[in-house]
Amino acid sequence: NAGVMQNPRHLVRRRGQEARLRCSPMKGHSHVYWYRQLPEEGLKFMVYLQKENIIDESGMPKERFSAEFPKEGPSILRIQQVVRGDSAAYFCASSQTGTDTQYFGPGTRLTVL
Amino acid sequence: ILNVEQSPQSLHVQEGDSTNFTCSFPSSNFYALHWYRWETAKSPEALFVMTLNGDEKKKGRISATLNTKEGYSYLYIKGSQPEDSATYLCALPPSGSARQLTFGSGTQLTVLP
Repeated sequence: NAGVMQNPRHLVRRRGQEARLRCSPMKGHSHVYWYRQLPEEGLKFMVYLQKENIIDESGMPKERFSAEFPKEGPSILRIQQVVRGDSAAYFCASSQTGTDTQYFGPGTRLTVL
Repeated sequence: ILNVEQSPQSLHVQEGDSTNFTCSFPSSNFYALHWYRWETAKSPEALFVMTLNGDEKKKGRISATLNTKEGYSYLYIKGSQPEDSATYLCALPPSGSARQLTFGSGTQLTVLP
């Protein structure tokens, strides 16, 4: 059973461009969570999704950030018009219905030039 | 906002030493506590999920205890090995109805050969 997969592992964007980060949860997992680690900081929750639904986006910046988890395919975290402050490691985790354990992917390290 | 505190921030021990560190959290509205192990350049790895006061969990040389009445959990490592070097994170959901996790800042353990 493959673990949580994220791609790309490293992403470089110039200010004003768009960044699209992908997360494929573990097989059988229908809950996806995105977390962000800013430089010198800990993991901070961004958004929690189930298939086709955003359950909680209380940790997501109000502008430029969006997330989806379609019926088919990976979850996508989209950052429009990136700024230098968006440079961070973005981690995705997934869990099964009925269990609490979240399994993390390897992260995407976004660098905004 | 849930306040999760971990101490110490960092720790250096000699190979073979046993060690422990602490996660503190508000004792009201407790639902579950998660321990993760995070090696550099890897994904956070789930160690334990603890839900009941007095819980003790063990995985090899690593064990954890939980006191929900006073709001703390201890993680113990017996006979530390260099491969135990990692950051140990604890995390809790901000409420019983939430599935996302609020992380502490971690304890960075270095085991010296």
